[in-house]
Amino acid sequence: NAGVTQTPKFQVLKTGQSMTLQCAQDMNHNSMYWYRQDPGMGLRLIYYSASEGTTDKGEVPNGYNVSRLNKREFSLRLESAAPSQTSVYFCASSEEGWGGPSSYNEQFFGPGTRLTVL
Amino acid sequence: LAKTTQPISMDSYEGQEVNITCSHNNIATNDYITWYQQFPSQGPRFIIQGYKTKVTNEVASLFIPADRKSSTLSLPRVSLSDTAVYYCLVGDRGTSGTYKYIFGTGTRLKVLA
Repeated sequence: NAGVTQTPKFQVLKTGQSMTLQCAQDMNHNSMYWYRQDPGMGLRLIYYSASEGTTDKGEVPNGYNVSRLNKREFSLRLESAAPSQTSVYFCASSEEGWGGPSSYNEQFFGPGTRLTVL
Repeated sequence: LAKTTQPISMDSYEGQEVNITCSHNNIATNDYITWYQQFPSQGPRFIIQGYKTKVTNEVASLFIPADRKSSTLSLPRVSLSDTAVYYCLVGDRGTSGTYKYIFGTGTRLKVLA
């Protein structure tokens, strides 16, 4: 039981290049999330997927696209990388989605992808 | 906008009890309060969650007063390995109406020998 896995662990891109960050979970969770964390800052939600086949924007979606390929996998794509996207990217999953204020929603996080855009 | 306010940093010594208070004045009526812990170069990890009064697990206790406008995470007898960033989360529906959690900047706890 690996939990949440992310690939790659590290990546360096040049401005304008594209890439896809991969995330997979083996806990049969319904919801998956992508966050970014800049140095010394908290996590900011980029996109999330409440269930297979659905995606929704978070706080900072501009410059990113996502695909919920199946229940296990949720990918994040940078179409044209910019230096402002230099960050650590975390994927997370939870059994239930954000159904509302009373939802219990423990999120399990992956190890992160450290991305540098030159 | 539901938002949490926590101290930026705290120092403590090994063996002491540490209390981290979080204010969340605009918490929604049915919202839970959740705390996460993050070590350097790792993703956050769930510590504890509660709705009101007191919740205790093997790691920490969470105290929530009746008005629920604040909460206090209590770590008993901390050790060096408790050095981490601690996040207090409540939900936020935002302008779009979509419910989500806001992590904020957290409290950086440093435990000294």
